[in-house]
Amino acid sequence: IQMTQSPSSLSASIGDRVTITCRASQPITNNLNWYQHKPGRAPKLLISGASTLSGGVSSRFSGSGSGTVFTLTISGLQPEDFALYYCQQSFGPPPRTFGQGTKVEI
Amino acid sequence: QGQLVESGGGLVKPGGSLRLSCTASGFSFSDYYMSWIRQSPGKGLESISYINMGGGMVKYADSVRGRFTISRDNAKNSVDLQMTSLGVDDTAVYYCARGDQWLDAFDLWGQGTTVIVSS
Repeated sequence: IQMTQSPSSLSASIGDRVTITCRASQPITNNLNWYQHKPGRAPKLLISGASTLSGGVSSRFSGSGSGTVFTLTISGLQPEDFALYYCQQSFGPPPRTFGQGTKVEI
Repeated sequence: QGQLVESGGGLVKPGGSLRLSCTASGFSFSDYYMSWIRQSPGKGLESISYINMGGGMVKYADSVRGRFTISRDNAKNSVDLQMTSLGVDDTAVYYCARGDQWLDAFDLWGQGTTVIVSS
């Protein structure tokens, strides 16, 4: 299953609302996870099951979608949100594929 | 919450071998599936291998199948990745990640270990 994210990168300002889209090459119901990755640090699970916020993750993050199109929205961008974001499908057999990533920068 | 610590990375010549290890602590290791995920320079995350909770099922990405072997020792809370016939395209940061069967997501990651394949 191929995962395609758009855009590959975006520039935004503090306080902005940002939306990242992830498309699957075939329907994956709601088996879609989102991760945040900062340079030199371990990736962090943000959202599982397309819309369930992981423990301790800010409510600024939200996810939606099902089937083949999914979105990650960051409402009120904060300085600590500048990072790479990846979607990952958990529908097909392992190893599960990731999108190519979206870099959110100032 | 738990912790994963990878080790074993380094500089290796093309065609060489390397064994990565990941040691887990702070959680019941045998309750989780495990994977190795890598990030090559300038590229995104690539999930390259998977092992189920008991160690009886393993899966590999096409890019490493036949060259890499994943294994785990639940008594030692560790998962290894034996890498052979390494090529320059295997240069990457390798992450060990814990998979939660209920979330079906990687909910805990290590800091990564760097593998550089170069002559």
